[in-house]
Formats: sequence, C-alpha cells, structure tokens
Amino acid sequence: GNSVTQMEGPVTLSEEAFLTINCTYTATGYPSLFWYVQYPGEGLQLLLKATKADDKGSNKGFEATYRKETTSFHLEKGSVQVSDSAVYFCALSVRAAGNKLTFGGGTRVLVKP
Amino acid sequence: DAGVIQSPRHEVTEMGQEVTLRCKPISGHDYLFWYRQTMMRGLELLIYFNNNVPIDDSGMPEDRFSAKMPNASFSTLKIQPSEPRDSAVYFCASSITGGHPYNEQFFGPGTRLTVL
Repeated sequence: GNSVTQMEGPVTLSEEAFLTINCTYTATGYPSLFWYVQYPGEGLQLLLKATKADDKGSNKGFEATYRKETTSFHLEKGSVQVSDSAVYFCALSVRAAGNKLTFGGGTRVLVKP
Repeated sequence: DAGVIQSPRHEVTEMGQEVTLRCKPISGHDYLFWYRQTMMRGLELLIYFNNNVPIDDSGMPEDRFSAKMPNASFSTLKIQPSEPRDSAVYFCASSITGGHPYNEQFFGPGTRLTVL
C-alpha cells in the first residue's frame, strides 16, 4: 500500500535557523509528492510539489527534492521566521488512487524570536 | 475566487444530539473529501466523492456517521447521535480531475466540533 512517514515534532527553532523535516514514503506506482502547511486555526494549503524523480519543488523559501533512490522528500528552509510556525504535512498521490492523497502524521514547527 | 466553504465554523452540542456539517466545494471541482483532525489521531480521511458518488467510505468510524453529496455544489457530514469522542476539527477539501500529476486538494477552514 501507500504510506508516508515523517519525523515527529514538535521541532523548536530560533529565528534564522535552518529547518529540515524528514519525509520518506512507500508507494505502489509512481507517486507525486507534496508538502502541505497548516497555520494555526486554518485548513491545510499546498506549499510545494514534485511530480518526478529529481524534481525540486520550491515556494516561500522552502525546498524539497524528489529522491526516488531513497524514497524521500525532505523539506528544508535556510532561515526560518516566526511566521513559519505551523504544522507541515508530507503527502503523496498515485494515479491509480485518483485524487486521493496519503498524508504523513504532520510535524509541528515552532519558531521562537 | 471563493475557496471551499464550510459551515458552521464552530459547533458546540450535547451528547446524543444530531450534528450536521456542511461543505460547498470550489465550483468545477469533481472530487470532495471529508477529513477529521484530532491531537491523538492526526488527520484522518473519512470519505470522498467523485462526481457526487461516494468512492471510499472506509474511514467513516461507525454507523453514527453518514455523508451525502446531493449535487456538485453541496455536501453534508452528519453525526447521529453525537458522542464526546467525536470532538475534533472536520475539514472538507475539493480537487479536480485532470489535476494529476498535481492532484492538489483545496481545504476549507474547518468546523471545530465540541460534544459535551
């Protein structure tokens, strides 16, 4: 089956620190990979995506590279801000599952000034 | 453009009462998803529809939960009777066929349900 595993939080950082959130997956078929972000009191929103091996998704200073050989899609940001405090979800989809997404458990990130 | 609309945003009810949550997907989207989020269990997919037809309801916790989609612009999630363990934030999301390989889902703001 399809599954996504991401590091448990919370992750607490100081402003301007480097952030990495690990994500690995198993999938039947060739998945597309996503990172969603959930700010306090809101629904999830798409942060970035990658659809094939070696693709790099990027948005708002965040990056993630689709690594097929290690089945990973780690999220990174070089210098976090307080406004990046949120819960981050790694997710995948495969064509056979239509538009259904398989989500990881989420990682809470807290950035302190 | 209007995003996914959910109502009510907050619901407080007493155990045993019927609760109905409502969702209006983005116009033109043909997939609709209902999720539940709790601290203990994280984000869970309850049920999803394609072209108003339920495709997978394996995540619906028990018979007290039911979902309908009478037309392309409206869906309901009903809990009858409600129990305190149903307290959670319920999200609705929609997406569009042909969005693959992106399959981006657009989430509503959620309904926070508290069952006393």
